Amino acid sequence: AQRVTQPEKLLSVFKGAPVELKCNYSYSGSPELFWYVQYSRQRLQLLLRHISRESIKGFTADLNKGETSFHLKKPFAQEEDSAMYYCAPILGGTSYGKLTFGQGTILTVHP
Amino acid sequence: KAGVTQTPRYLIKTRGQQVTLSCSPISGHRSVSWYQQTPGQGLQFLFEYFSETQRNKGNFPGRFSGRQFSNSRSEMNVSTLELGDSALYLCASSPGHRGANEKLFFGSGTQLSVL
Repeated sequence: AQRVTQPEKLLSVFKGAPVELKCNYSYSGSPELFWYVQYSRQRLQLLLRHISRESIKGFTADLNKGETSFHLKKPFAQEEDSAMYYCAPILGGTSYGKLTFGQGTILTVHP
Repeated sequence: KAGVTQTPRYLIKTRGQQVTLSCSPISGHRSVSWYQQTPGQGLQFLFEYFSETQRNKGNFPGRFSGRQFSNSRSEMNVSTLELGDSALYLCASSPGHRGANEKLFFGSGTQLSVL
């Protein structure tokens, strides 16, 4: 079965520290990869799209096909990065609106 | 441009009742998707509509249905409500270009509580 795993439910770092949010997927083909973010009292929104390198807030993510991972990274975390992050790959073909979301990781950046 | 609008914001129903949720997409967007969000199951895809036709469907029982109107507005209906249907229901829209995996623009959601 196609699955998306975000192993960390909670992640805490200090301001200025590097941050990495993990995402693993189970799919034998080439996925199309997205990260979505939900800041407090805001809507779920696109953070990063792998195929177009579209990204906000300085985050990057590299696809590792061998490890079937798409970890999200930022070299220097800011307090405003505190949010819920969802890995949401499209596992096969045209999605027609269907994203397979991971369970999400709550990132807290301490001052 | 106005964002995706969902109404109502909150709903309280009792078991056995039915409910209809509404979603107005961003102007010009023709694809509307629906998701259920719960603490236990996370975000799960319900279905997607484009040009008044359902193009994709998730693994939910037939009690969950939807439709889309000619102006791209969409409604979702849940019949014979169960306690487990309590959730935040999110709607998302996208332009709907054929063959493209587009980014989704989400609404604020409708919080449904079933008592």
